[in-house]
Amino acid sequence: DGGITQSPKYLFRKEGQNVTLSCEQNLNHDAMYWYRQDPGQGLRLIYYSQIVNDFQKGDIAEGYSVSREKKESFPLTVTSAQKNPTAFYLCASSMRPQNRSPNSGANVLTFGAGSRLTVL
Amino acid sequence: AQTVTQSQPEMSVQEAETVTLSCTYDTSENNYYLFWYKQPPSRQMILVIRQEAYKQQNATENRFSVNFQKAAKSFSLKISDSQLGDTAMYFCALPGGSQGNLIFGKGTKLSVKP
Repeated sequence: DGGITQSPKYLFRKEGQNVTLSCEQNLNHDAMYWYRQDPGQGLRLIYYSQIVNDFQKGDIAEGYSVSREKKESFPLTVTSAQKNPTAFYLCASSMRPQNRSPNSGANVLTFGAGSRLTVL
Repeated sequence: AQTVTQSQPEMSVQEAETVTLSCTYDTSENNYYLFWYKQPPSRQMILVIRQEAYKQQNATENRFSVNFQKAAKSFSLKISDSQLGDTAMYFCALPGGSQGNLIFGKGTKLSVKP
């Protein structure tokens, strides 16, 4: 079955450590996204990639880094520069980017099951 | 800038009854889609329904339907014959424009009581 796999499901980090969250999709989707979810905050965009070897910062990119070396993979690194990294992280993909026109949002986002990061 | 507002942080409904979740938004787009996503306790985000803004007819998916009022920029979700499995967070979303993503509201936590 096609889908998005995120790993690990739970991750614990000590202060000052970098950690990498994995996101793999076998949907042949061009676009991939990373969102952060905090209680009462909804989902906020960290980074997105519309094509291999290209990615852009979202609303809260500080303290995070990504790579997109393969179409299937979009790993997120939470660096020690991220001051409040404890959160739930969701990876998503869509067939094509949510282009502005002609029909903005025509491509549905498919989500992974998420990764819970806790800083000790 | 696009914004999405969900004014009901929590709601509850008795099993088999009907409940409506509210969403208002702002966008400068003319043609766009609107979405409702469900996040059950498993935390897997699941698409519930989507609406094309240029279609006047409200979208329906089984027990889920929307009341889309384009001029008022309102997009509410109606759940009929509520089931225990409908207990979840519900998020309203619309495209974020040049960033190529979806912008989400803060969510409504729905509890279906037996």
